[in-house]
Amino acid sequence: KAGVTQTPRYLIKTRGQQVTLSCSPISGHRSVSWYQQTPGQGLQFLFEYFSETQRNKGNFPGRFSGRQFSNSRSEMNVSTLELGDSALYLCASSPRQGGEQYFGPGTRLTVT
Amino acid sequence: GIQVEQSPPDLILQEGANSTLRCNFSDSVNNLQWFHQNPWGQLINLFYIPSGTKQNGRLSATTVATERYSLLYISSSQTTDSGVYFCAVLREGFKTIFGAGTRLFVKA
Repeated sequence: KAGVTQTPRYLIKTRGQQVTLSCSPISGHRSVSWYQQTPGQGLQFLFEYFSETQRNKGNFPGRFSGRQFSNSRSEMNVSTLELGDSALYLCASSPRQGGEQYFGPGTRLTVT
Repeated sequence: GIQVEQSPPDLILQEGANSTLRCNFSDSVNNLQWFHQNPWGQLINLFYIPSGTKQNGRLSATTVATERYSLLYISSSQTTDSGVYFCAVLREGFKTIFGAGTRLFVKA
């Protein structure tokens, strides 16, 4: 099976812009979770989607949002980008809620 | 929320040495995973181990759920083992929590 894929792999944006990141889970996996990794805060949970519904959400402002499509692919959106949003954004898929997670290669976002 | 602590934060080994990494968590969990993050940022699954002991080659892991800790053993370390090791825990209905990681450097 193909692994979790994320696009784009690298992205440079300017403060105030918005960005959309995409994640395709492993075939058959219905749960997709998103994480932000920064040197200062480590790996932090953003949100989890299962069957097109957000099931859990981390402590991030409303500028961070996501959605999941019927084929389980997921997107996350960050609006009004801030310098502090520069991070590695990781997506993970799992066959079920709370199951073993498999991570994609990540999208490295730089906000200037 | 659940607190996850990993120790040691940093570890330097000579190639061929053995090591033990520890993950303590503050409450009961349904799921515990160990990952290795390579220099390119990819998180690689090592073990899914909510309880018990598992082995995979030179690596093994033990989780004692009743005492709220997990151990990752690396034997005969190699330079390719360098990177950051994370444990992550999940309690059903809650979000996944990652520890801060153990940064391992194996010298040739």
